[in-house]
Amino acid sequence: DGGITQSPKYLFRKEGQNVTLSCEQNLNHDAMYWYRQDPGQGLRLIYYSQIVNDFQKGDIAEGYSVSREKKESFPLTVTSAQKNPTAFYLCASSKGRQSNQPQHFGDGTRLSIL
Amino acid sequence: SQQGEEDPQALSIQEGENATMNCSYKTSINNLQWYRQNSGRGLVHLILIRSNEREKHSGRLRVTLDTSKKSSSLLITASRAADTASYFCATDAGKLIFGQGTTLQVKP
Repeated sequence: DGGITQSPKYLFRKEGQNVTLSCEQNLNHDAMYWYRQDPGQGLRLIYYSQIVNDFQKGDIAEGYSVSREKKESFPLTVTSAQKNPTAFYLCASSKGRQSNQPQHFGDGTRLSIL
Repeated sequence: SQQGEEDPQALSIQEGENATMNCSYKTSINNLQWYRQNSGRGLVHLILIRSNEREKHSGRLRVTLDTSKKSSSLLITASRAADTASYFCATDAGKLIFGQGTTLQVKP
């Protein structure tokens, strides 16, 4: 079955620590996205990538970094510069590069501060 | 500023009743999408309606789009307890922007 796998499901970060969230897809999709969801809120775009070795900042990129070395993988690093990292992080992918494509989501990683 | 805003924020109905959720937006769009999110899970795409379409159906779901009023509605007919979830509209004006969602509770 094709899909998107996010790991870990729960993650705890100590102050001053960088943590990396994994996102892998086997849908052969070109585009991948990272969103942040705060309680009772919608999704806010952190970064997106439309093709391997290329990515763009979204609306709230500060304190985050990404890489896209393989089509299947789009890891997100939450750096120590992100002062309020506690949130639910969702990774998504879509077949084409255009925004008129439905997005497929993973089941998220919940990040908390220790 | 938020592109899509859902109304109501929360909705509670009995099983078998219909549920209607509305989405309003501010700028011209290419298409509008509706997604569902079960608690603690990722979003699932439900339906996409293009700007030149007025109505679309998928099973018990009916979506309408009124570009003159910049609004869309999602109707779930004959609701079931399993429909309990949050529902989000997402507007495409070059990039996809999600609203804050409507939380639907269907009581058995």
